[in-house]
Amino acid sequence: EVQVVESGGGLVQPGGSLRLSCAASGFTFSNYWMHWVRQAPGEGLMWVSRISSDGTNSRYADSVKGRFTISRDNAKNTLYLQINSLRAEDTAVYHCARDRWGFGFLDLWGRGTLVTASA
Amino acid sequence: QSALTQPASVSGSPRQSITISCTGTTSDIGGYNYVSWFQQHPGKAPKLMIYDVSNRPSGVSDRFSGSKSGNTASLTISGLQAEDEADYYCSSYTSSNTLVFGGGTKLTVL
Repeated sequence: EVQVVESGGGLVQPGGSLRLSCAASGFTFSNYWMHWVRQAPGEGLMWVSRISSDGTNSRYADSVKGRFTISRDNAKNTLYLQINSLRAEDTAVYHCARDRWGFGFLDLWGRGTLVTASA
Repeated sequence: QSALTQPASVSGSPRQSITISCTGTTSDIGGYNYVSWFQQHPGKAPKLMIYDVSNRPSGVSDRFSGSKSGNTASLTISGLQAEDEADYYCSSYTSSNTLVFGGGTKLTVL
């Protein structure tokens, strides 16, 4: 089955860190750019970050730049998002999504993993 | 990286047509033909409905169509059906090599 499944979310104190994972299966992971998109409770979608298919090129939303790091392991078919200096406003469901060419063709999404920043 | 502007809500009766607008700038919508539209039902993952302004992925009903004029993109749904009731989001590639989403539009089928 073609799918991506996120994991690694949880309750973390503000200022803390965690690493999200996105396991891909059923398709050639190394052919696709990948994105992280988050959705705060009751809010809309917000683009967070993206990485090129070979992992050499990445971009971030201004609100997470310097705190979040996107990476991937094509041998393990897995995408990662390292989150540091967590803030209350980072509380959201984090989705990973694949993109064939890197221009916004997000045709496969995971159900997401919930990150909650709270003391 | 300001969000694209969408109306908060639209509504229509079954079999009618509705259009959702999405306004950006010359740095995103106006500069590229990389506008996408996503449908999201409550508690579900977003689903790609339109890409590259007006193209439909395989399996998406031809009742969904997209267009663009200047800095504004539009999604039109014709022959409204009850199952179309959902949140809709536009997105665009940007001059910073990032993506930006709209704030979302809640579609109510009356």
